[in-house]
Amino acid sequence: AQKVTQAQTEISVVEKEDVTLDCVYETRDTTYYLFWYKQPPSGELVFLIRRNSFDEQNEISGRYSWNFQKSTSSFNFTITASQVVDSAVYFCALSEAVYGGYQKVTFGTGTKLQVIP
Amino acid sequence: GAGVSQSPSNKVTEKGKDVELRCDPISGHTALYWYRQSLGQGLEFLIYFQGNSAPDKSGLPSDRFSAERTGGSVSTLTIQRTQQEDSAVYLCASSSTRADYGYTFGSGTRLTVV
Repeated sequence: AQKVTQAQTEISVVEKEDVTLDCVYETRDTTYYLFWYKQPPSGELVFLIRRNSFDEQNEISGRYSWNFQKSTSSFNFTITASQVVDSAVYFCALSEAVYGGYQKVTFGTGTKLQVIP
Repeated sequence: GAGVSQSPSNKVTEKGKDVELRCDPISGHTALYWYRQSLGQGLEFLIYFQGNSAPDKSGLPSDRFSAERTGGSVSTLTIQRTQQEDSAVYLCASSSTRADYGYTFGSGTRLTVV
């Protein structure tokens, strides 16, 4: 069975600090997909990134970067120079191999990030 | 439509009443998912649709919960004889058949059972 662990329940940082959100996953499949979603106070989940298990290249998008390490089953998310607008709950998620278009995604319990001005 | 639409956005109901929650997915998305998010909790999978059929209902918490999808489009999640523990945000998502795409979520229905 697949499992996603986000050990950090809540994190507070001061604006402009860097912050890393941890995500550890478990799966028996060799083919799988990892995701991060952002849930701002408005409530709607916003897709941020997906990675497949065969691509361990780190990715950077503006102030966001992701570090995927299969050896430690981790997919960590770093926000550089945090801003108040980054305050949200961030969910890490995993889906295993897809059959017929179905991808059952398992979510972690989320990390609430508060950026203090 | 341009996004996943859910209605109502908020629903307050009395314990014991039935409620229906509606989800209108992105046009052309064949897969549709229902999740539940209780206060301060993560997302709990409820049910998945591929077209009009539901190959995976494993997350439905009890037989008071049911869902259907018609025309490969709109889905309705029905909760019968609501209980206070049913209070949560019910999220719908849809996806294309591309394996590497994530879901697109609706903004959810906040259900409060009083």
